[in-house]
Amino acid sequence: KQEVTQIPAALSVPEGENLVLNCSFTDSAIYNLQWFRQDPGKGLTSLLLIQSSQREQTSGRLNASLDKSSGRSTLYIAASQPGDSATYLCAVMDSSYKLIFGSGTRLLVRP
Amino acid sequence: DAGVIQSPRHEVTEMGQEVTLRCKPISGHNSLFWYRQTMMRGLELLIYFNNNVPIDDSGMPEDRFSAKMPNASFSTLKIQPSEPRDSAVYFCASSPGGASREKLFFGSGTQLSVL
Repeated sequence: KQEVTQIPAALSVPEGENLVLNCSFTDSAIYNLQWFRQDPGKGLTSLLLIQSSQREQTSGRLNASLDKSSGRSTLYIAASQPGDSATYLCAVMDSSYKLIFGSGTRLLVRP
Repeated sequence: DAGVIQSPRHEVTEMGQEVTLRCKPISGHNSLFWYRQTMMRGLELLIYFNNNVPIDDSGMPEDRFSAKMPNASFSTLKIQPSEPRDSAVYFCASSPGGASREKLFFGSGTQLSVL
């Protein structure tokens, strides 16, 4: 059974810092990995999608990497801003086409 | 595009009542997903449809839950009878292509409280 773990559960950093969020998964047989952002009381917004054959994806200040063999992904946020404060969720699409989510990392960027 | 539209935003009901949640996916999207989010269990996939056909409903917790997609622009998730443990945020999401390739677009969710 696929399990997705995110570390840390919560993170507080001062504005301007570069930071890394971690995601690990137990079964390397995945179709893709996605990073989402969730603001309080809102739905999820897709940030980056990495296909299983890819190693990384970039969008603006965000960079996500994927090491399928080791079951790990990282989300790198450069020059963090207070507006980046949210919960970040990692999800993998498994061999049965189900998207399995981690429990998320709550990020607070302090002005 | 207005995005995925869910209604109602909030629903408060009493145990034993029937609850119907509604979802309008993004026009042109072929896949639709229903998720449930709780503090204890996080986000769980309940069911997903491809071209209006249920593909996998193994996440539906029990027979009290049912979902339909009568056409490409509308889906419902029904709970009958509802129980307090069904209290959660229910999300609908759609994607434009096959489930393996595309990003999911989520609605704002329905906050369900069963008293």
